[in-house]
Amino acid sequence: DTGVSQDPRHKITKRGQNVTFRCDPISEHNRLYWYRQTLGQGPEFLTYFQNEAQLEKSRLLSDRFSAERPKGSFSTLEIQRTEQGDSAMYLCASSLEQALEIEAFFGQGTRLTVV
Amino acid sequence: GNSVTQMEGPVTLSEEAFLTINCTYTATGYPSLFWYVQYPGEGLQLLLKATKADDKGSNKGFEATYRKETTSFHLEKGSVQVSDSAVYFCALRSWDDMRFGAGTRLTVKP
Repeated sequence: DTGVSQDPRHKITKRGQNVTFRCDPISEHNRLYWYRQTLGQGPEFLTYFQNEAQLEKSRLLSDRFSAERPKGSFSTLEIQRTEQGDSAMYLCASSLEQALEIEAFFGQGTRLTVV
Repeated sequence: GNSVTQMEGPVTLSEEAFLTINCTYTATGYPSLFWYVQYPGEGLQLLLKATKADDKGSNKGFEATYRKETTSFHLEKGSVQVSDSAVYFCALRSWDDMRFGAGTRLTVKP
């Protein structure tokens, strides 16, 4: 297993367009998180899944954002009608739900630029 | 809700200086605490962790002790190196989520 992978690494899109990001977690991890990170800030929690169930969504996640994890493996994060304020690094992390002491492992992130 | 507050940066030190980055948290229950590091151009990676009160996490000369009475998890290193220049994030994990502080940028000058 090569760890958490995210695709694409970079995305430039025009305002108003839709974008979709993919995250492939570590295979045995049942918990998957999405975060957004802007320059000079820490990762801001967006949402997380336990297996295929989306258990929590931050109020940062407006109606334009939707995340899925249909089979409890990979996940997608879609942003509709992108705005310039959506420009950020989108991070995915995975962990095991059963043990709090197990850390979350992060992917390299997808950097979104909305022009 | 859970939250993490860490010392704002940036922090600039000379090589071999002593480092402290403060971190305090608010959480229900008994979370696990972590320090992550992000080197330039790289993703977040775990530096150290502590899972219960009075535990000390350590790695690469860095240490942090889980202090439940002061709800703190301060990061320390006795002698920093230029290669320690990075952004450091304090984080907590509860059964409900995982939260991060805003990050502290450390620059170590030769």
